[in-house]
Amino acid sequence: GQQLNQSPQSMFIQEGEDVSMNCTSSSIFNTWLWYKQEPGEGPVLLIALYKAGELTSNGRLTAQFGITRKDSFLNISASIPSDVGIYFCAGQPGQNFVFGPGTRLSVLP
Amino acid sequence: EPEVTQTPSHQVTQMGQEVILRCVPISNHLYFYWYRQILGQKVEFLVSFYNNEISEKSEIFDDQFSVERPDGSNFTLKIRSTKLEDSAMYFCASSALTVNEKLFFGSGTQLSVL
Repeated sequence: GQQLNQSPQSMFIQEGEDVSMNCTSSSIFNTWLWYKQEPGEGPVLLIALYKAGELTSNGRLTAQFGITRKDSFLNISASIPSDVGIYFCAGQPGQNFVFGPGTRLSVLP
Repeated sequence: EPEVTQTPSHQVTQMGQEVILRCVPISNHLYFYWYRQILGQKVEFLVSFYNNEISEKSEIFDDQFSVERPDGSNFTLKIRSTKLEDSAMYFCASSALTVNEKLFFGSGTQLSVL
């Protein structure tokens, strides 16, 4: 089946630092979604991307749909403690979404 | 803001018992999904549902699983005879369209099979 890879698997950063994470696939995707999940909660949608090359921001978050349609990245600027969580990318090769394994972000005060 | 709601938040059951997980998708959405997440792992697709029938299902969604939209608002996942390995967080999701659309998740039902 479809496989997504996310890197890094986990990261520890200082509060105030910028963060960058990415998601890659061997297949072309029509849509990329980025989610954040906190313990015991469902994934919360952060950003949706629909076109190759698209760059979209949501507050301190910025995400881009790669030109090849096989990757996407998410940047978080000026991280704060509440950014802690697992960030998942989800790609839509057809009708349904497949999820990456996630990037676990820890923010140190 | 409209949201997907799921009940119960936690369900504990004995192996071999039937469970029904309930979801109320966002009201104007047409496409409904169940995903599951085993502790510490990624979110896995189970099934999608549109126009009162299954659109697509994964290998995980075997004959023990079924879905139903019993009325205009609820969407349920039934596991007929639970196994230990069914223990996971089950998420319901919905979207307005099927392609190039946003997928919104509920907060999940934690299923523990003893």
